[in-house]
Amino acid sequence: QKEVEQNSGPLSVPEGAIASLNCTYSDRVSQSFFWYRQYSGKSPELIMSIYSNGDKEDGRFTAQLNKASQYVSLLIRDSQPSDSATYLCAVNKGRGSTLGRLYFGRGTQLTVWP
Amino acid sequence: NAGVMQNPRHLVRRRGQEARLRCSPMKGHSHVYWYRQLPEEGLKFMVYLQKENIIDESGMPKERFSAEFPKEGPSILRIQQVVRGDSAAYFCASSPSGQGKYGYTFGSGTRLTVV
Repeated sequence: QKEVEQNSGPLSVPEGAIASLNCTYSDRVSQSFFWYRQYSGKSPELIMSIYSNGDKEDGRFTAQLNKASQYVSLLIRDSQPSDSATYLCAVNKGRGSTLGRLYFGRGTQLTVWP
Repeated sequence: NAGVMQNPRHLVRRRGQEARLRCSPMKGHSHVYWYRQLPEEGLKFMVYLQKENIIDESGMPKERFSAEFPKEGPSILRIQQVVRGDSAAYFCASSPSGQGKYGYTFGSGTRLTVV
């Protein structure tokens, strides 16, 4: 079982729509959750972090966390063509020998068409 | 305030040669992580280092790969006797503490091509 799983997509939405990206994780005691955006040929860029159940909003981005279901999601409202990228979900267990490590999913490729 | 600096950006090596990838963490950061990304795959953890110490190398292949973070200078990821399967993007990240709680800042990466 993989530590972090994402639908690889591709996910295609029209400009102005809501894009919904999903992620599940296997270790129930994981503590910190992140979404990274990676443009083709570039490095990952941290766009959202979330630590407790519920929603966290930052501009057009909303991260949602449900620890009981071991589920993290990212909503992008009013999607723009510039949002077209691969979105990586990452999890930190926050304990033991892997205290500092982030576990990444394979990423979901998002395309926003005009 | 420079971010995480990696060089070279692109590196081409023939099979059997050695590849040396360098990473200078952000100012004030003493914790360095190396990740590898193969085409169409996510980021795979390789090694976590502090100054002069390897903390976690459980993601490193047992042979040909080594890493160091000396007291002075950048962190180095070394791949000896490279093979075609080593072709990938190698990313370095740094953090001010050994906790991943706040995520990392990644460098721009080194794209290694083995021909």
